[in-house]
Amino acid sequence: DAGVIQSPRHEVTEMGQEVTLRCKPISGHDYLFWYRQTMMRGLELLIYFNNNVPIDDSGMPEDRFSAKMPNASFSTLKIQPSEPRDSAVYFCASSNSLRAWGFFGPGTRLTVL
Amino acid sequence: DAKTTQPTSMDCAEGRAANLPCNHSTISGNEYVYWYRQIHSQGPQYIIHGLKNNETNEMASLIITEDRKSSTLILPHATLRDTAVYYCIVLLGGGADGLTFGKGTHLIIQP
Repeated sequence: DAGVIQSPRHEVTEMGQEVTLRCKPISGHDYLFWYRQTMMRGLELLIYFNNNVPIDDSGMPEDRFSAKMPNASFSTLKIQPSEPRDSAVYFCASSNSLRAWGFFGPGTRLTVL
Repeated sequence: DAKTTQPTSMDCAEGRAANLPCNHSTISGNEYVYWYRQIHSQGPQYIIHGLKNNETNEMASLIITEDRKSSTLILPHATLRDTAVYYCIVLLGGGADGLTFGKGTHLIIQP
């Protein structure tokens, strides 16, 4: 298995632009998590899905952030409009049923200028 | 609200056992202890977890004190590739709420 796949690996954009991050979870996993990592705040859980349904989005910082999971093999995290403080590494993770030891993807490093 | 306390950094000589401590004095009876690590520029990697018994797998051993207020992750023969930030996390059994990462311990393996 290729593991969790994220794209793009790096994204540089200007303030005000829309950014879309993509994630393909491991086949057969029914939980998908989005995390954000910064030097100041460390790793933070943003939102997670179970069977494509958002379960907890309390970590999403504000309305500029939205996440979708249209099917079991694809999820997106969108920021519109983006701001410099959104610069971070965004990780997607998936897991099989109720197992905390999710597998993390390589991350997307986002830089908003 | 940190549930765990870990040293900020530690050094260990290559080939020696690396012992990483974690305090979790407020752990409740149905909370597990999980360990993850993050190698520079990579996503976090699961290492091991346990409830109250000591656990061992191909990566590491986990020693949990009898009162469950602290634990130690042991890497038996550390290599340079074990240099990473190690996170000790306490959460309920299924962990379906996702993981809450603290600051972790930056383990540096010295040649």
